[in-house]
Amino acid sequence: GAVVSQHPSRVICKSGTSVKIECRSLDFQATTMFWYRQFPKQSLMLMATSNEGSKATYEQGVEKDKFLINHASLTLSTLTVTSAHPEDSSFYICSAPSSGGANEQFFGPGTRLTVL
Amino acid sequence: GENVEQHPSTLSVQEGDSAVIKCTYSDSASNYFPWYKQELGKRPQLIIDIRSNVGEKKDQRIAVTLNKTAKHFSLHITETQPEDSAVYFCAASVGGGSNYKLTFGKGTLLTVNP
Repeated sequence: GAVVSQHPSRVICKSGTSVKIECRSLDFQATTMFWYRQFPKQSLMLMATSNEGSKATYEQGVEKDKFLINHASLTLSTLTVTSAHPEDSSFYICSAPSSGGANEQFFGPGTRLTVL
Repeated sequence: GENVEQHPSTLSVQEGDSAVIKCTYSDSASNYFPWYKQELGKRPQLIIDIRSNVGEKKDQRIAVTLNKTAKHFSLHITETQPEDSAVYFCAASVGGGSNYKLTFGKGTLLTVNP
């Protein structure tokens, strides 16, 4: 199957700083990517849909000015958590759908964010 | 939007027994139903999926059934092994464009006791 990578895998930062997470499709092009957040012992919650060359679509309740998404190329989407606070500590996972209408999604390995 | 309910939240079985996890969905337009296995701190791993034009699909010890009329689908694991222990998530999506987005159930922690 297709491969999606994320970087960094783990990050610890101080409250008030910004953190950028990269999501790359390594062997296929992705005009759409999805960003999920997963708190401990909870499910994956979709935060936003990243669209190459256009604005991201945010789910209800997700602050677009706090979670900045940029999808500048067909293989890279970035999520920037601005002015991070301890409550933003979570596991962030991206995914990209397969091409050709097959529905299957390929997930990145996730990024563990800890805000002190 | 889509809402996916998953039960049970925890399931403990003896090695060799079967495990069944059930999900219901609300959007009749949903047409793709994957099941994921997630180990602690790792990405979700697709174990089986089913599309709305099929009622049942099997892959070795794993099977999924779909009842479109009732809007529910189930995961069946037979001859469970300790390595099957993990959190399992069901999901639903409508295919096409941004509708590829998945709505997940809350997950089931499966424990297989040796």
